[in-house]
Amino acid sequence: NAGVTQTPKFRILKIGQSMTLQCTQDMNHNYMYWYRQDPGMGLKLIYYSVGAGITDKGEVPNGYNVSRSTTEDFPLRLELAAPSQTSVYFCASSPLRVSSYEQYFGPGTRLTVT
Amino acid sequence: GESVGLHLPTLSVQEGDNSIINCAYSNSASDYFIWYKQESGKGPQFIIDIRSNMDKRQGQRVTVLLNKTVKHLSLQIAATQPGDSAVYFCAEGENTGFQKLVFGTGTRLLVSP
Repeated sequence: NAGVTQTPKFRILKIGQSMTLQCTQDMNHNYMYWYRQDPGMGLKLIYYSVGAGITDKGEVPNGYNVSRSTTEDFPLRLELAAPSQTSVYFCASSPLRVSSYEQYFGPGTRLTVT
Repeated sequence: GESVGLHLPTLSVQEGDNSIINCAYSNSASDYFIWYKQESGKGPQFIIDIRSNMDKRQGQRVTVLLNKTVKHLSLQIAATQPGDSAVYFCAEGENTGFQKLVFGTGTRLLVSP
């Protein structure tokens, strides 16, 4: 299994541009998540999904949109990029398990908005 | 609001020493706790977890201790190695309809040879 994969690894955007961060998992996990990590900070939840067709807002959803048309894919859309969205973005997934809430993370996308 | 915090932003140790990384949490409804290791330029990797009905759990060279009375969590790494140098995050979990994790800000562990 490749686990959780993210593309691109790096991206520079100009203010006002849009882009989609791709995330795919091959573990057949129900749950998927998008986080952002600012320098020296922990992970903040942007959006999450409990299954195909179901998404919900996390702690910091403004400026982002998501969709979940399949179990495997969970793209994150940035509309009208702003400098405040400069961050490292991590996608994660987890199975539905009573005993553990462990989330499996992708390698991240480093985004700079200038 | 809910928060997970760490006492020490940076911990420097010598190779071979034991390391202790601390974490405070505030949500008494949290029933699951987890430690992640994040190396530079990589995503977080699972180290060890513990449920709220346990006080201690051991893994390979790592031990997690949970004190629910004072809402405190610690990660102990035995015989610390240079490869242990990374940022360590604790997270608390609660099942609110989905399995939500709230992450702390992280502690950087620096291991000198």
